[in-house]
Amino acid sequence: AQKITQTQPGMFVQEKEAVTLDCTYDTSDQSYGLFWYKQPSSGEMIFLIYQGSYDEQNATEGRYSLNFQKARKSANLVISASQLGDSAMYFCAMKGGGFKTIFGAGTRLFVKA
Amino acid sequence: DGGITQSPKYLFRKEGQNVTLSCEQNLNHDAMYWYRQDPGQGLRLIYYSQIVNDFQKGDIAEGYSVSREKKESFPLTVTSAQKNPTAFYLCASSRSTGAAETQYFGPGTRLLVL
Repeated sequence: AQKITQTQPGMFVQEKEAVTLDCTYDTSDQSYGLFWYKQPSSGEMIFLIYQGSYDEQNATEGRYSLNFQKARKSANLVISASQLGDSAMYFCAMKGGGFKTIFGAGTRLFVKA
Repeated sequence: DGGITQSPKYLFRKEGQNVTLSCEQNLNHDAMYWYRQDPGQGLRLIYYSQIVNDFQKGDIAEGYSVSREKKESFPLTVTSAQKNPTAFYLCASSRSTGAAETQYFGPGTRLLVL
């Protein structure tokens, strides 16, 4: 069965510092995609970054990068130079060969001024 | 601008009443999805549709129904059979259901029971 685990219910980071949000996954599929979404207090889910299971390079999108360690089945999100607007819930998700995307329970990030 | 719209933003349901949540997309996506989010939790799949006139149950379909008569529209009806409907409902779409396809989400509808 597919599973996503986010072990950090809440994280604090000082403004302008980097922060890593952990995500581990479990799947028997050879081909799969890993996604990170941001959910601010307004509720909308905002797509941040995607990593394919066959991608050799770690994905980057602006201040977001995905630290993909396939052998360890981890897909951690790194946010560099944190901003106050980064305070939100962050969800890791995975999609394999089936129709369903599996979401983790989320990590709430608090950025301190 | 392309995107997904959901309406209403807030919806109140009386006991025994059916209510319908709207979801419209102009991204020309084939696949559409409905998720339920309870406070402090992740997303659970209610229904999905890969193409017009086709839809499949997700993990928590009981008490819900959908239709997909147009590519752009995927309304969700919360029936009186759903005993605990209070939640945040998110609609999403993607080009297809492939592993590399990103889902894009609407702003959500909060459903409250009176």
